[in-house]
Amino acid sequence: AQTVTQSQPEMSVQEAETVTLSCTYDTSESDYYLFWYKQPPSRQMILVIRQEAYKQQNATENRFSVNFQKAAKSFSLKISDSQLGDAAMYFCAYRRVIQGAQKLVFGQGTRLTINP
Amino acid sequence: ETGVTQTPRHLVMGMTNKKSLKCEQHLGHNAMYWYKQSAKKPLELMFVYNFKEQTENNSVPSRFSPECPNSSHLFLHLHTLQPEDSALYLCASSQGTRREQFFGPGTRLTVL
Repeated sequence: AQTVTQSQPEMSVQEAETVTLSCTYDTSESDYYLFWYKQPPSRQMILVIRQEAYKQQNATENRFSVNFQKAAKSFSLKISDSQLGDAAMYFCAYRRVIQGAQKLVFGQGTRLTINP
Repeated sequence: ETGVTQTPRHLVMGMTNKKSLKCEQHLGHNAMYWYKQSAKKPLELMFVYNFKEQTENNSVPSRFSPECPNSSHLFLHLHTLQPEDSALYLCASSQGTRREQFFGPGTRLTVL
């Protein structure tokens, strides 16, 4: 069974600085997707970034980028120039396909605090 | 306004009540999902529907009964719940297998 582990329950960073959130996963599959979702106090889950396992290039979305190490099964999220609006719970997720739909397996989450 | 809506946003019910959660997606997606988010636990997938057909039941107790009348609507019928069922229930939808899931705002459920 696939598992996703986020070893940092809480992280904090000064505004405008860079922070990296860690995620490791376990799978025997070769083709899969990985995601980072953000959940602010409103509880709305918002997609931050996604990575296809078959792509060697790390995904980037503006201030957000990932370090995808397939052999090590590691998928960390780097947030550059942190902003107060980045404060939220961040969830790493592994996706597999089942009968035409998707199954997401989530990590425990990391609570990110931004200090002004 | 999100493409996935959920009602009600908050629900308080007794253990003998029967209630239903509703989810509607306006994105033209074919798959819909129910998740449970409890305090200090990872999000747990409960049910998956693809083109109205249930494709996954993640060992969910029978006191939770899903219904998917069409690809745009998903219900979760609740009856004789336990206090430990108190949680945030999230609905999501997706199109096929190559795109991400979009989530609704959730229903905060409290069982007294």
